[in-house]
Amino acid sequence: QVQLQQWGAGLLKPSETLSLTCAVYGGSFSDYYWTWIRQPPGKGLEWIGEINHSGSTNYNPSLKSRVTISVDTSKNQFSLKLSSVTAADTAVYYCARGDVGATTGGRYYYYYIDVWGKGTTVTVSS
Amino acid sequence: SSELTQDPAVSVALGQTVRITCQGDSLRTYYASWYQQKPGQAPVLVIYGKNNRPSGIPDRFSGSSSGNTASLTITGAQAEDEADYYCNSRDSSGNHVVFGGGTQLTVL
Repeated sequence: QVQLQQWGAGLLKPSETLSLTCAVYGGSFSDYYWTWIRQPPGKGLEWIGEINHSGSTNYNPSLKSRVTISVDTSKNQFSLKLSSVTAADTAVYYCARGDVGATTGGRYYYYYIDVWGKGTTVTVSS
Repeated sequence: SSELTQDPAVSVALGQTVRITCQGDSLRTYYASWYQQKPGQAPVLVIYGKNNRPSGIPDRFSGSSSGNTASLTITGAQAEDEADYYCNSRDSSGNHVVFGGGTQLTVL
């Protein structure tokens, strides 16, 4: 059974850089999109970005200028850095595993996130 | 459009059937996936693909899709189904992931 264990600093000051790491235990590391998602207090889920095992990334356009996601395949880990944080970046941050594919014949595609970390609460406050 | 739209809140009487919907252009190409989130917990995948349930998800949860609208149906809602539900897919370009705003389900 695949498990994700995440860690990183939970309290930041404005303008600092958020840094989180997620370790993948069990299962294949090479067949998925390794993903970061956040949820501000009382609000919905927001996709931050993703990386595959070869290091190819996709980022949320609204965060792209501040986000870097990297991968260390030797450790089965991936990491998130978000620079110049403000109070608006206060949220629970989740690492997760995404899977994408196509139905037979390629008429439809599917995407889902089937494994989630427990979440890290990050607070930005002066 | 890269957005997915959900009703903010829905209620259902105990034991009755409820449908939660999600609309977006990307759903013409991607099946929606659905997540249940209870307070203080990480989301849990309940439906993916055409209508697939991960192991451990009760069969009262089902999914369907028509045009740009995906639906999550709970047949015989239970008290423990009270939660927030989110839909999700990739956007029409396939390069980004989008979530609906979430639907708060109340079981009366």
